[in-house]
Amino acid sequence: DIQMTQSPSSVSASVGDRVTITCRATQDINNWLTWYQQKPGKAPELLIFATSTLQSGVPSRFSGSASGTDYILTISSLQPEDFATYYCQQANSFPFTFGQGTRLDIK
Amino acid sequence: EVQLVESGGGLVKPGESLRLSCTASGFTFSGYSLNWARQAPGKGLEWLSIIGIGSNPIYYADAVKGRFTTSRDDARNSLYLQLNSLRVEDTAVYYCARSLFVNGYTKGLDRWGQGTLVTVSS
Repeated sequence: DIQMTQSPSSVSASVGDRVTITCRATQDINNWLTWYQQKPGKAPELLIFATSTLQSGVPSRFSGSASGTDYILTISSLQPEDFATYYCQQANSFPFTFGQGTRLDIK
Repeated sequence: EVQLVESGGGLVKPGESLRLSCTASGFTFSGYSLNWARQAPGKGLEWLSIIGIGSNPIYYADAVKGRFTTSRDDARNSLYLQLNSLRVEDTAVYYCARSLFVNGYTKGLDRWGQGTLVTVSS
Protein backbone atom coordinates (compact mmCIF):
# COMPACT_ATOMS: atom_id res chain seq x y z
CA ASP A 1 0.00 0.00 0.00
CA ILE A 2 1.08 3.58 -0.63
CA GLN A 3 2.01 5.45 2.55
CA MET A 4 1.51 9.21 2.81
CA THR A 5 3.68 11.29 5.13
CA GLN A 6 2.57 14.80 6.00
CA SER A 7 4.67 17.52 7.53
CA PRO A 8 4.55 19.30 9.80
CA SER A 9 2.18 17.46 12.12
CA SER A 10 1.21 20.80 13.60
CA VAL A 11 1.85 24.44 12.88
CA SER A 12 0.97 27.69 14.61
CA ALA A 13 0.38 30.78 12.54
CA SER A 14 -1.32 34.14 12.60
CA VAL A 15 -4.10 35.62 10.50
CA GLY A 16 -2.55 36.88 7.28
CA ASP A 17 0.38 34.46 7.35
CA ARG A 18 1.32 32.20 4.47
CA VAL A 19 1.39 28.52 5.39
CA THR A 20 2.58 25.46 3.51
CA ILE A 21 1.89 21.82 4.29
CA THR A 22 3.74 19.04 2.55
CA CYS A 23 2.75 15.49 1.73
CA ARG A 24 5.05 12.80 0.38
CA ALA A 25 4.08 9.43 -1.08
CA THR A 26 6.11 6.24 -0.92
CA GLN A 27 5.35 5.57 -4.60
CA ASP A 28 4.51 7.57 -7.67
CA ILE A 29 0.87 8.70 -7.41
CA ASN A 30 0.74 10.43 -10.79
CA ASN A 31 -0.41 13.72 -9.23
CA TRP A 32 -3.58 12.11 -7.88
CA LEU A 33 -3.35 13.93 -4.60
CA THR A 34 -6.34 15.31 -2.76
CA TRP A 35 -6.45 17.75 0.16
CA TYR A 36 -9.17 17.98 2.79
CA GLN A 37 -9.93 20.38 5.60
CA GLN A 38 -11.53 19.18 8.80
CA LYS A 39 -12.82 21.33 11.64
CA PRO A 40 -13.44 19.91 15.12
CA GLY A 41 -16.55 17.79 15.31
CA LYS A 42 -17.22 18.10 11.60
CA ALA A 43 -16.78 15.90 8.57
CA PRO A 44 -13.86 16.59 6.24
CA GLU A 45 -14.37 18.85 3.24
CA LEU A 46 -12.61 18.45 -0.07
CA LEU A 47 -10.39 21.40 -0.95
CA ILE A 48 -8.19 20.38 -3.85
CA PHE A 49 -7.99 17.35 -6.11
CA ALA A 50 -5.55 16.24 -8.78
CA THR A 51 -2.77 18.13 -6.96
CA SER A 52 -3.91 21.62 -7.91
CA THR A 53 -7.58 21.75 -8.95
CA LEU A 54 -9.67 23.74 -6.52
CA GLN A 55 -13.01 22.23 -5.60
CA SER A 56 -15.94 24.49 -6.41
CA GLY A 57 -16.48 27.11 -3.72
CA VAL A 58 -13.00 26.86 -2.21
CA PRO A 59 -11.36 30.28 -1.79
CA SER A 60 -8.48 31.11 -4.11
CA ARG A 61 -6.09 31.63 -1.20
CA PHE A 62 -5.81 27.84 -1.19
CA SER A 63 -3.54 26.31 -3.79
CA GLY A 64 -1.85 23.01 -4.45
CA SER A 65 1.32 22.11 -6.26
CA ALA A 66 3.90 19.39 -6.65
CA SER A 67 7.65 19.48 -6.47
CA GLY A 68 9.31 16.19 -7.25
CA THR A 69 7.75 13.65 -4.92
CA ASP A 70 6.37 16.32 -2.60
CA TYR A 71 2.84 17.64 -2.80
CA ILE A 72 2.24 21.03 -1.25
CA LEU A 73 -0.82 22.79 0.08
CA THR A 74 -0.38 26.54 0.39
CA ILE A 75 -2.69 28.96 2.12
CA SER A 76 -1.58 32.37 0.95
CA SER A 77 -3.12 34.59 3.63
CA LEU A 78 -4.64 32.81 6.58
CA GLN A 79 -8.16 33.71 7.59
CA PRO A 80 -9.75 32.90 10.95
CA GLU A 81 -11.89 30.18 9.39
CA ASP A 82 -8.80 28.34 8.06
CA PHE A 83 -7.67 27.12 11.46
CA ALA A 84 -8.38 23.43 11.18
CA THR A 85 -6.71 20.09 10.47
CA TYR A 86 -5.63 19.32 6.92
CA TYR A 87 -5.24 15.88 5.39
CA CYS A 88 -3.77 14.70 2.14
CA GLN A 89 -4.98 11.55 0.43
CA GLN A 90 -3.57 9.66 -2.51
CA ALA A 91 -6.23 8.78 -5.05
CA ASN A 92 -3.99 6.94 -7.48
CA SER A 93 -4.63 3.37 -6.42
CA PHE A 94 -6.64 1.38 -3.92
CA PRO A 95 -6.52 1.28 -1.02
CA PHE A 96 -6.66 5.05 -0.89
CA THR A 97 -4.54 6.31 1.98
CA PHE A 98 -4.50 9.50 4.02
CA GLY A 99 -1.64 11.37 5.54
CA GLN A 100 -1.65 11.63 9.31
CA GLY A 101 -2.91 15.19 9.27
CA THR A 102 -1.56 18.66 9.99
CA ARG A 103 -3.17 20.70 12.71
CA LEU A 104 -3.11 24.42 11.99
CA ASP A 105 -3.80 26.57 15.00
CA ILE A 106 -3.63 30.19 15.98
CA LYS A 107 -0.34 31.55 17.27
CA GLU B 1 -28.79 19.76 -1.80
CA VAL B 2 -26.57 16.72 -1.52
CA GLN B 3 -27.01 14.95 1.80
CA LEU B 4 -25.56 11.78 3.26
CA VAL B 5 -26.85 10.59 6.62
CA GLU B 6 -25.25 7.71 8.48
CA SER B 7 -26.99 5.65 11.12
CA GLY B 8 -26.60 2.40 13.04
CA GLY B 9 -23.67 3.19 15.27
CA GLY B 10 -23.60 2.25 18.92
CA LEU B 11 -21.87 0.38 21.71
CA VAL B 12 -20.97 -3.26 21.08
CA LYS B 13 -18.69 -5.83 22.65
CA PRO B 14 -15.57 -7.24 21.01
CA GLY B 15 -16.46 -9.98 18.56
CA GLU B 16 -19.96 -8.66 17.94
CA SER B 17 -21.42 -7.29 14.71
CA LEU B 18 -23.06 -4.08 13.59
CA ARG B 19 -24.60 -2.79 10.37
CA LEU B 20 -24.20 0.83 9.41
CA SER B 21 -26.44 2.58 6.91
CA CYS B 22 -25.98 5.71 4.85
CA THR B 23 -29.01 7.26 3.21
CA ALA B 24 -28.42 9.71 0.40
CA SER B 25 -30.47 12.45 -1.21
CA GLY B 26 -30.02 15.34 -3.58
CA PHE B 27 -28.18 13.47 -6.33
CA THR B 28 -28.54 10.45 -8.60
CA PHE B 29 -27.36 7.82 -6.16
CA SER B 30 -27.05 5.01 -8.70
CA GLY B 31 -24.62 7.06 -10.78
CA TYR B 32 -21.93 7.40 -8.14
CA SER B 33 -19.38 5.27 -6.39
CA LEU B 34 -19.51 5.54 -2.61
CA ASN B 35 -16.96 5.18 0.14
CA TRP B 36 -16.62 4.45 3.82
CA ALA B 37 -13.96 6.07 5.98
CA ARG B 38 -13.44 6.26 9.71
CA GLN B 39 -11.72 8.32 12.34
CA ALA B 40 -10.74 6.95 15.72
CA PRO B 41 -11.12 9.39 18.63
CA GLY B 42 -8.44 12.05 18.39
CA LYS B 43 -6.83 10.35 15.40
CA GLY B 44 -6.59 10.83 11.65
CA LEU B 45 -8.76 9.69 8.79
CA GLU B 46 -8.68 6.14 7.48
CA TRP B 47 -10.24 5.15 4.17
CA LEU B 48 -12.03 1.79 4.44
CA SER B 49 -13.91 0.82 1.33
CA ILE B 50 -15.39 1.81 -2.01
CA ILE B 51 -18.29 0.36 -3.92
CA GLY B 52 -18.65 1.19 -7.56
CA ILE B 53 -21.64 1.80 -9.75
CA GLY B 54 -23.69 -1.35 -9.94
CA SER B 55 -21.73 -2.65 -6.95
CA ASN B 56 -18.66 -3.24 -9.09
CA PRO B 57 -15.87 -3.02 -8.11
CA ILE B 58 -15.59 -3.20 -4.34
CA TYR B 59 -12.28 -2.57 -2.59
CA TYR B 60 -11.28 -2.61 1.07
CA ALA B 61 -8.46 -1.42 3.24
CA ASP B 62 -6.30 -4.24 4.58
CA ALA B 63 -7.36 -3.43 8.15
CA VAL B 64 -10.97 -4.45 7.48
CA LYS B 65 -10.74 -6.88 4.59
CA GLY B 66 -12.54 -10.10 5.46
CA ARG B 67 -14.38 -8.56 8.42
CA PHE B 68 -16.32 -5.67 6.86
CA THR B 69 -18.63 -5.86 3.86
CA THR B 70 -19.88 -2.94 1.80
CA SER B 71 -23.12 -3.10 -0.15
CA ARG B 72 -25.63 -0.74 -1.70
CA ASP B 73 -29.32 -0.64 -2.55
CA ASP B 74 -29.89 1.86 -5.32
CA ALA B 75 -33.68 1.55 -5.03
CA ARG B 76 -33.42 2.82 -1.45
CA ASN B 77 -30.59 5.31 -2.13
CA SER B 78 -28.70 3.53 0.61
CA LEU B 79 -25.17 2.36 1.32
CA TYR B 80 -24.34 -0.20 3.97
CA LEU B 81 -21.33 -1.38 5.92
CA GLN B 82 -21.56 -4.70 7.72
CA LEU B 83 -19.02 -4.82 10.54
CA ASN B 84 -18.22 -8.30 11.85
CA SER B 85 -15.76 -9.57 14.44
CA LEU B 86 -15.41 -6.09 15.87
CA ARG B 87 -12.30 -5.17 17.82
CA VAL B 88 -11.60 -2.44 20.33
CA GLU B 89 -9.45 -0.73 17.71
CA ASP B 90 -12.48 -0.41 15.41
CA THR B 91 -13.86 2.24 17.73
CA ALA B 92 -14.30 5.31 15.53
CA VAL B 93 -16.66 7.69 13.84
CA TYR B 94 -17.65 6.08 10.56
CA TYR B 95 -18.33 8.31 7.57
CA CYS B 96 -19.89 7.61 4.22
CA ALA B 97 -18.71 9.77 1.35
CA ARG B 98 -19.50 10.23 -2.31
CA SER B 99 -16.81 9.76 -4.92
CA LEU B 100 -15.54 12.66 -6.98
CA PHE B 101 -15.20 11.39 -10.52
CA VAL B 102 -12.45 12.59 -12.83
CA ASN B 103 -12.63 10.98 -16.27
CA GLY B 104 -14.75 8.22 -14.79
CA TYR B 105 -12.42 7.36 -11.92
CA THR B 106 -12.70 8.18 -8.23
CA LYS B 107 -10.17 10.89 -7.42
CA GLY B 108 -11.46 12.16 -4.12
CA LEU B 109 -14.42 12.20 -1.78
CA ASP B 110 -16.50 15.28 -2.42
CA ARG B 111 -19.47 14.96 -0.06
CA TRP B 112 -19.41 13.42 3.40
CA GLY B 113 -22.03 12.49 5.94
CA GLN B 114 -21.83 13.69 9.52
CA GLY B 115 -20.66 10.31 10.75
CA THR B 116 -21.90 7.70 13.20
CA LEU B 117 -19.95 6.59 16.26
CA VAL B 118 -19.14 2.94 16.80
CA THR B 119 -17.73 2.05 20.19
CA VAL B 120 -16.32 -1.42 20.78
CA SER B 121 -15.76 -2.13 24.44
CA SER B 122 -16.25 -4.93 26.90
